[in-house]
Amino acid sequence: DIQVTQSPFFLSASVGDRVTITCRASQVIGTSLAWYQQKPGKAPKLLIYAASTLQSGAPSRFSGSGSGTEFTLTISSLQPEDFATYFCQQLSTYPLTFGGGTKVEIK
Amino acid sequence: EVQLVESGGGLVQPGGSLRLTCAASGFTFSDHFMDWVRQAPGEGLEWIGRIRNKGDSYSTEYAASVKGRFTISRDDSQNSLYLQMSSLKAEDTAVYYCIRRDNNGYLNYWGQGTLVTVSS
Repeated sequence: DIQVTQSPFFLSASVGDRVTITCRASQVIGTSLAWYQQKPGKAPKLLIYAASTLQSGAPSRFSGSGSGTEFTLTISSLQPEDFATYFCQQLSTYPLTFGGGTKVEIK
Repeated sequence: EVQLVESGGGLVQPGGSLRLTCAASGFTFSDHFMDWVRQAPGEGLEWIGRIRNKGDSYSTEYAASVKGRFTISRDDSQNSLYLQMSSLKAEDTAVYYCIRRDNNGYLNYWGQGTLVTVSS
């Protein structure tokens, strides 16, 4: 199975900060990676797919980059509604696997 | 509007069985592959499996943790997706989400989830 290692596990930041979250896949997955945002008690929402394509309706302050085994999600200017947990997922090979998540909290 | 509504969760004893249903509306259900993902309380996300559409012979994929115990099926005439769970263990306790796979291959629409608790 492809392991997906996400870092950091926890991130404390202020409104307006630039935030970067990283996912590393244990094998090359091309650009078959998605990023999700999850708020407490809610289902995850797709933010980015194919590593760098912004899902329709997602704010433009979110961006994704990377290919192969290293990927990043960047929030250019953190907003109050962005405090949530973020997950990446590889969709290259079954079983589809998720990173462990990054909780973004208010500093 | 795409809607996915899971039902059938609840408390079940270890070793027991349960069937979850996902009622789909707002799109042509038969066209899409459908997935199940679960999330244990306070934990991350775990992909459970996928069922393809009729064009792909309703073939399935499963995570190793549930293979042989869980079965994914669908009834396109009822716009419904199912997850039959058997030999349940405490570690199967989770919120179970039904998800529609978009044509681009990504998991865009998620249901609200249904909680399954395995406990004596």
